Order: sequence, then structure tokens, then C-alpha cells
Amino acid sequence: EIVLTQSPAILSLSPGERATLSCRASQSVSSYLAWYQQKPGQAPRLLIYDASNRATGIPARFSGSGSGTDFTLTISSLEPEDFAVYFCQQGSNWPPTFGGGTKVEIK
Amino acid sequence: QVQLQESGPGLVKPSETLSLTCTVSGGSISTYYWTWIRQPPGKGLEWIGYIYFTGSTNYNPSLKSRVTISVDTSKNQFSLKLSSVTAADTAVYYCARGLNSYDHWGQGTLVTVSS
Repeated sequence: EIVLTQSPAILSLSPGERATLSCRASQSVSSYLAWYQQKPGQAPRLLIYDASNRATGIPARFSGSGSGTDFTLTISSLEPEDFAVYFCQQGSNWPPTFGGGTKVEIK
Repeated sequence: QVQLQESGPGLVKPSETLSLTCTVSGGSISTYYWTWIRQPPGKGLEWIGYIYFTGSTNYNPSLKSRVTISVDTSKNQFSLKLSSVTAADTAVYYCARGLNSYDHWGQGTLVTVSS
């Protein structure tokens, strides 16, 4: 089973700042890496699939990069609605697995 | 717009079987892969398994001996059964669409295992 390690666990930033979230896989997942946003009491929302493709309706301030074992989600300028928990997920090897999450909180 | 909605009991006794159904609206279930994912309170996400509309399934090895996922294309629904539940199975259960990533999710339903 592939382990995904997300860092940092908590990211404290102010609106308008740039957020950089990391996801590292225990072995290569090629480009089969997705990112999700989850707010309290809500289901996760797909942001990025196949490492760098924005899902339908996702604003351009969200971008994904990386391949193999190291991936990054970047939010170019944080909006108030972006403060949430972010999970990465790999779909390369069975079973699919999720990272432990990064909480982006207001500083 | 595709929408998914989970339904089923919110409380299950230990050793019994958890049963949930996901109803798909706004699109046909007869394409795509359909998945169950769970999230224990305050914790991360765990993939349970998927089904294709043909009935082909794949389960998480950690749960495989206790999980059954089925599909009813006539009702546009798919279902989850998890047997011999314990307190460790208490979680919010989500149904979702997709194979390698999941672009549509149900709102989730909390299932508590307790006597």
C-alpha cells in the first residue's frame, strides 16, 4: 500500500498570501495524484486530478505540479473561502490511498 | 449535474451488518466507476471499494473479507454491505464517482456502531 505524507500538517497564512502544500508518496504514482478540499461538515471536493489538471469549476488560483513521488498544490492568493483541509490521493496502485491532510488556517 | 445521496441506518449494533445505498441522479449509473469511501470522526479518508455498472468490483484488502458492493442499474443505485462491524467502523460513509480520482461525492452519512 502506498503511503502519502503531507506537509506541513498545519499552514497558518493570511488572505492574499500564497500557499504551498506538499504530498510525498512512498513509491512512484506516476501522475495519478489528485487533490481535494474539505470544509467542516462537507464532503471533499476534487480540485486537481492527474497531478496538474484542474477539475471543472475550480478557480485558476489552484494549481498542481509534480510527478513520481513529489507533488505540490499551490494556491496563488488565498481567498477567505480557501481556509480548509486539503488531502492528496493516489490512484496509481491498489488500493487508492489518501494523505493525512494539511489544514490551511487563518493566521 | 450529477448528484449522489447516501441513505441507510445511522446506528448499527456491533457484530451486525452495515447497509448503505447511494442513489445517483442527474445521470446514468451505466457508465463510470462508483466508489465507497469512509472517514472516521476527526480522521483521514479510507477507500473501501468500487463497482462498475457491469458488476465488476474491487475492494480494499484490509476490508475485503467483510465488504460487498452491488449495483442496481434499474434504480440508478449502488450499495455497500459491511459485515461484523465493530466500533472501529464508526465513520462518515461517502459514495463517489470515479476510478483514479473522484469528481462527484454524496454529502456523507454518519454510521455509528454501538449497542
